[in-house]
Amino acid sequence: KAGVTQTPRYLIKTRGQQVTLSCSPISGHRSVSWYQQTPGQGLQFLFEYFSETQRNKGNFPGRFSGRQFSNSRSEMNVSTLELGDSALYLCASSPGNTGELFFGEGSRLTVL
Amino acid sequence: GQQVMQIPQYQHVQEGEDFTTYCNSSTTLSNIQWYKQRPGGHPVFLIQLVKSGEVKKQKRLTFQFGEAKKNSSLHITATQTTDVGTYFCAGQRAGSYQLTFGKGTKLSVIP
Repeated sequence: KAGVTQTPRYLIKTRGQQVTLSCSPISGHRSVSWYQQTPGQGLQFLFEYFSETQRNKGNFPGRFSGRQFSNSRSEMNVSTLELGDSALYLCASSPGNTGELFFGEGSRLTVL
Repeated sequence: GQQVMQIPQYQHVQEGEDFTTYCNSSTTLSNIQWYKQRPGGHPVFLIQLVKSGEVKKQKRLTFQFGEAKKNSSLHITATQTTDVGTYFCAGQRAGSYQLTFGKGTKLSVIP
C-alpha cells in the first residue's frame, strides 16, 4: 500500500506570495489532518478534513485554508506569506475518527 | 484550548541507560498516542492507549496511561543508538477529531 504523498517536498517563496501544498492520503483513508512543525513550537494542528468536510480547525489566522476533494486528496493554501510561515508542513491520514495517524514526508516551506 | 505538556525537552543518555518522557494534558483524554520522529524524518506511530491505568509494552518500551486519563509516560529500558529521535505524545479529547501534540522530547544516545 502506498503511503501518504505530499508535494512539493521543498519550496522557496518570498513574503507576500501564496502557496498551495498537496496531500494524497493512503487509499481508503477518509480523514486528512495538517500540521505545521517548527523547531520552537513542535507540531501545531492546522485543520482536519473528513469526507470533504472540515471538522476541526486550529488556532491559525485566516491566511491558512484547506480543502478536501471527493477522492480524499487534500490541499492547503497559505496566502500573503510571512517569514514566520517557514516550516515543515505535515499531512497525515487515518481511516476514521480515532486511531493512528500516518504522516507524509512533509513539505518544507522557506519564506524569504 | 487543550494543552499537552511534555517533559523533558531534551535528554542525553549513555547507551544502556534508561530514559523516560512524561506527558500531561490540561483536559481529560479519550486516548493518547505516542510517535517517534527520527532526525530528518516524519512522525511514526508507536502506540495508542485508551483505558485508564493502561500499561503496554513493546520490547524495551513501556507506555502508561494515568488513572485520570490526563497523563502518560514512555519509558525505554537500556537505550540503544537506534532509539535516537524525538518522542511525541498526542492527546485526543472525547468528541474531538483533533489530535494535540506535545512539543516532544529529543533523545540523544551517547555510544
